Amino acid sequence: DAKTTQPPSMDCAEGRAANLPCNHSTISGNEYVYWYRQIHSQGPQYIIHGLKNNETNEMASLIITEDRKSSTLILPHATLRDTAVYYCIVTYSGGGADGLTFGKGTHLIIQP
Amino acid sequence: DGGITQSPKYLFRKEGQNVTLSCEQNLNHDAMYWYRQDPGQGLRLIYYSQIVNDFQKGDIAEGYSVSREKKESFPLTVTSAQKNPTAFYLCASGGEYNEQFFGPGTRLTVL
Repeated sequence: DAKTTQPPSMDCAEGRAANLPCNHSTISGNEYVYWYRQIHSQGPQYIIHGLKNNETNEMASLIITEDRKSSTLILPHATLRDTAVYYCIVTYSGGGADGLTFGKGTHLIIQP
Repeated sequence: DGGITQSPKYLFRKEGQNVTLSCEQNLNHDAMYWYRQDPGQGLRLIYYSQIVNDFQKGDIAEGYSVSREKKESFPLTVTSAQKNPTAFYLCASGGEYNEQFFGPGTRLTVL
């Protein structure tokens, strides 16, 4: 798995968009970018993933740069319940993959 | 409801004892995983299984054992050989696009 770099912590005001950056300069051509989050003392939750096109679902949007060396996860209207550690992971898609490599992630704190 | 269940939520063990953590899924996923998380750290892979009756060691398999006799179940045994077993243990199953779905976790404490 390619290595990712994320800021250790970020603050965002409630109701504003939260933009979480991730650098993955050594990503290979067939690796995807995945985002997960972990609320304190719970299991991680899958958010979204993408290869090179921007992706959106009911939880978030994922913007991947054209050179694929970095990406941004966007939570459009952050709420207090979005306070969590967010993990950016690059790995191969398809079933039967060999597990995920988690770094320390970004601790996002939503301020009231 | 579909999902991953883990039991127990909290587990206490005396030194020298083996304990088994349960993980069950009803998502019909072939792949299942066990991770360990220490305070302030990311998750580390212990074992994974891509199909029934087959499993592979992850990054930190020493002192742990698993079985995969049924598609729905992937129990993890923490043996007495694991020198520092106190941790948060997470089980996951893998979807079609390698997205993983996690259970609520088991917090193991060695007394």
